[in-house]
Amino acid sequence: AQTVTQSQPEMSVQEAETVTLSCTYDTSESDYYLFWYKQPPSRQMILVIRQEAYKQQNATENRFSVNFQKAAKSFSLKISDSQLGDAAMYFCAYRRNEKLTFGTGTRLTIIP
Amino acid sequence: GAVVSQHPSRVICKSGTSVKIECRSLDFQATTMFWYRQFPKQSLMLMATSNEGSKATYEQGVEKDKFLINHASLTLSTLTVTSAHPEDSSFYICSAKDPSNQPQHFGDGTRLSIL
Repeated sequence: AQTVTQSQPEMSVQEAETVTLSCTYDTSESDYYLFWYKQPPSRQMILVIRQEAYKQQNATENRFSVNFQKAAKSFSLKISDSQLGDAAMYFCAYRRNEKLTFGTGTRLTIIP
Repeated sequence: GAVVSQHPSRVICKSGTSVKIECRSLDFQATTMFWYRQFPKQSLMLMATSNEGSKATYEQGVEKDKFLINHASLTLSTLTVTSAHPEDSSFYICSAKDPSNQPQHFGDGTRLSIL
C-alpha cells in the first residue's frame, strides 16, 4: 500500500519569506501523480500544484514550486514570497488509478 | 471552472437518525466520485469510490451497511450515514473525477455532529 509522510506537523514563516514543506512517499509504481492541496479554515480542499511522475521537470504555479526527486520519492513544496492568505493546512497526496492517498498535513502559519 | 457542490454543509442530529449527504458535479459528468472522512486535525481518509450505475467500492474497515452510497446519475452521488451515533461525527468530503483527466474536484464538505 502506498503511504505518504509529512514529517512537519507545523511550520511558520515570516511574511514575504520562503518556506519549504516536506513530503515523502512510498510506492512500487512508476506511473503516478503527486499533488499538494491547501485546506484553509473553511475546510475546502484547494489544489495548489500537481506533478506527473513521468515528467522530470519540476512543476511551478506562480509562487508555488515543487522539488520532485523520483528516485528518493520526495516531493517538497516551496512557497515564495509568503502571504497571509497562504496560512492553511497543506496536504501532500499521491494518486494512482484515481485513488488519492493523503499525508497527515502540515499547518503553515504566516507571521506578519 | 468545474465545481462540485456538497449539501448540507452542516448537520446536527440525534443519535439513531439517518443522515443523507449529497454530492453534485455542476458542469461535468462524473462517472466516479469519492467519499472521504476527516477527523479533527487529521488527514482525509478515503471511505469509498462511488461508481455511476454500479455498487460502490469500499475501503478496508468501512462498513458498507453503515455508509450507504448511491450514484444514480452522472451528476449525483449520495452518502447516507445510517443509524448515526456520536462516533460518526466527523467532516465528510466528496470529490468527483473529471473525465478530462484533470485532478479531482472537491466539494466544500459536510460537518456532521451526532448528539
